[in-house]
Amino acid sequence: EAGVVQSPRYKIIEKKQPVAFWCNPISGHNTLYWYRQNLGQGPELLIRYENEEAVDDSQLPKDRFSAERLKGVDSTLKIQPAELGDSAVYLCASSYSYTVHGRNYGYTFGSGTRLTVV
Amino acid sequence: AQKITQTQPGMFVQEKEAVTLDCTYDTSDQSYGLFWYKQPSSGEMIFLIYQGSYDEQNATEGRYSLNFQKARKSANLVISASQLGDSAMYFCAMRERTSGTYKYIFGTGTRLKVLA
Repeated sequence: EAGVVQSPRYKIIEKKQPVAFWCNPISGHNTLYWYRQNLGQGPELLIRYENEEAVDDSQLPKDRFSAERLKGVDSTLKIQPAELGDSAVYLCASSYSYTVHGRNYGYTFGSGTRLTVV
Repeated sequence: AQKITQTQPGMFVQEKEAVTLDCTYDTSDQSYGLFWYKQPSSGEMIFLIYQGSYDEQNATEGRYSLNFQKARKSANLVISASQLGDSAMYFCAMRERTSGTYKYIFGTGTRLKVLA
């Protein structure tokens, strides 16, 4: 089974430029998450999708960040314009919705996109 | 307020010995879930183990076990027979239901180094 695929793996951009990250979740996982992980910290949730619906985007900085999950499969996270403080690893994860067959599954994370804003 | 607290920024353990990574949490929910993840230097996050708040028995997955003490709100990860490949960051996480939706919160992590 293929894992969660993210691209690009690394991205370096100048401040005020736009950037986009792409995520392809595991087939059958209808829940998709975008997390941001700053150096030395745990991941922080940006947005969670149930199928194509964003059910929790309370921590997404909506003035510059946007996300979409068309057809409830792939997802794109965009930052426009990027700021120096956006430098972090952006992790995508997917899972079944809560419980499947009475068992809770953890997320499956992608390898992340390391963004450096200079 | 910090919902997940991992007080050990770094830990050392000798190969083949057991090690306990601490995690305490704070929630007013009756129904919640606790997770542990491993993050090697390559960056991916690997799910290790899950404990539900209503589970009466401590969760176990191979060499991983979760020492769940509900009254103390602690969910410590125990790794038995440590291996060199266990060297990584370990994150404790909690899922709780807030305002009709689920919130997922990670701790700041513990870096484990296994010594040969």
